[in-house]
Parts: sequence; structure tokens; C-alpha cells
Amino acid sequence: DTAVSQTPKYLVTQMGNDKSIKCEQNLGHDTMYWYKQDSKKFLKIMFSYNNKELIINETVPNRFSPKSPDKAHLNLHINSLELGDSAVYFCASSQGLAGDTGELFFGEGSRLTVL
Amino acid sequence: TQLLEQSPQFLSIQEGENLTVYCNSSSVFSSLQWYRQEPGEGPVLLVTVVTGGEVKKLKRLTFQFGDARKDSSLHITAAQPGDTGLYLCAGASPGNTGKLIFGQGTTLQVKP
Repeated sequence: DTAVSQTPKYLVTQMGNDKSIKCEQNLGHDTMYWYKQDSKKFLKIMFSYNNKELIINETVPNRFSPKSPDKAHLNLHINSLELGDSAVYFCASSQGLAGDTGELFFGEGSRLTVL
Repeated sequence: TQLLEQSPQFLSIQEGENLTVYCNSSSVFSSLQWYRQEPGEGPVLLVTVVTGGEVKKLKRLTFQFGDARKDSSLHITAAQPGDTGLYLCAGASPGNTGKLIFGQGTTLQVKP
């Protein structure tokens, strides 16, 4: 069983389109995250939800909207896609907050290519 | 803004060699984690260090947290081709909010 699964794994789309990436974790964790990894492999946090409540909202364009229907799911919707949105988006989860004793469990990533 | 600088960014060595990867910052972190990422996969946690001066060993990997909790190092002894991957350090700010600051990563290639 995959602990953190995200779909789709690959997404190729045109500029201006709207797309969603879904994430589910079966670890029973209470905190979920979206990270963006750029072409230089730099990993940056975008959002975090703890028990369905938004706790981290980094400086991300408001075209990006996360939604957590329950503790096990965190989806990411992106409106009006731009070329610069091309990246690998990782979903992650942790029991409690990441850092100290909190380990991040990552999904396999969703590679988004905007043409 | 807290930053973590990793060096070197790229490292290509022969099997059996030793290497050290550094992770430095001007900021204090309450803890520091090291992750390893393989192509097409998400990062996987290797270790968490919490106490200044702490040293942890994981088989041939030795991790150290600086006394001032601003830097860390990863030393690999007798590297194997299976060690090939992207190594990422990540720091948690004091008053941990769950936000991890990642370094830009070190890509390691170990040739047989």
C-alpha cells in the first residue's frame, strides 16, 4: 500500500488552463503539505494543513488554492496556469508538525509541464 | 529569511571514496533533518538531529549538528553506487510551525 499517493503523476497542459492534483495519505497523519520542486531541485513549501485547518500559506500566487476535505486528503487546484508553474509538486504528510520528531512522508510527485 | 546553503551542489566520486556534504546557515534551527531523494520519487528521511553538537550514525553515514545549531554535515565512508542520489538538508525554525526550510541539495553520483 502506498502511504502518500498523488494523482496524476504527469500532467501536460496549455497555458491558461486550470488543473488539479489530488493527494491521499493512509498513515493516519494529522498534517499534510504541498511542496514545489523546481528544475534545480529546490524544494519549497507552499501550504500546510493540520486537521483540515490551513496553518502554513507561503507567498504563493492566489491562482493556487489548496483544499482539505478531511485529514487524509489535500488537493491542489491551479487556475490560469503559467509557464513558470512547471515543476514537480510533492504532497507530504507528518504526524504532528514537521521537524524535531515530525518526519515528512512524501508522495512520488506530480510533474506538471505547462506549454 | 532563513536560508540553508548546501555544498557541494554536485559530487561525482568512485566507489570506496569518502565524502562530506555541508549544510550551513546564519540562522539557528531547532532541529535539522537530512533526506535522500532518488529520481522519480519523493525524498525519504535519513535522520533528524536536535541537540547542538549531536552526532548520529546510520551504517556508513555520519551526521553532525553544529554546536550553535546553525549548520550540519553528512559524511559517507566508503561510498557505494547505491548511495547515488540527491541529498537534502532541511531545518525547522525555533517555535516549530511545521515549516521546513530546505537546502538546494547535493547530487551525489558514485561510480562503480
